[in-house]
Amino acid sequence: GDSVTQMEGPVTLSEEAFLTINCTYTATGYPSLFWYVQYPGEGLQLLLKATKADDKGSNKGFEATYRKETTSFHLEKGSVQVSDSAVYFCALSLTGANNLFFGTGTRLTVIP
Amino acid sequence: EPEVTQTPSHQVTQMGQEVILRCVPISNHLYFYWYRQILGQKVEFLVSFYNNEISEKSEIFDDQFSVERPDGSNFTLKIRSTKLEDSAMYFCANSWGGATETQYFGPGTRLLVL
Repeated sequence: GDSVTQMEGPVTLSEEAFLTINCTYTATGYPSLFWYVQYPGEGLQLLLKATKADDKGSNKGFEATYRKETTSFHLEKGSVQVSDSAVYFCALSLTGANNLFFGTGTRLTVIP
Repeated sequence: EPEVTQTPSHQVTQMGQEVILRCVPISNHLYFYWYRQILGQKVEFLVSFYNNEISEKSEIFDDQFSVERPDGSNFTLKIRSTKLEDSAMYFCANSWGGATETQYFGPGTRLLVL
């Protein structure tokens, strides 16, 4: 069935380190792909998205490229900040459907 | 910026009791959703609601669950007879459109069934 597999956490990095959180998916057709972020005590917020192959989503220094050949949508940031500490969720939606399929989430902690 | 609110933030209930979780979506949004996350597991889709009716639901959303927009503003999820395995964080979400449109999530209600 349709699913998202996300890198297990937690991830702890020093400030200004490079971040990669892996995400791969299984889906029929051509899904749209998303990264959501959840800061402590808040709801999930859309971080970025890509709706077709080779699209790159970007926001707040984060990037992810929709790779159909490897069915991946890895999240990257060149230099993380303490304020990036949060839980990151990879998700997909299928063509014609409205619901999102989520990964398990990856907790990122950035230390000064 | 408009936001989605949910009440209560936490609820503890006895097995077999009914609970109602409430959400106030962003006004003018047309699609409404409930998701849940059991501790340590994935966020799972429960149901979507559009034009005053359920548009999609998952296998989790059985006869014990129901949703409604009683006053055109609030969006509620009712669990008629709670089970231990219903303990989870429940998230409400809404969007202007379907599919690729951004879904805006509330902060969640943590439900504990004893």
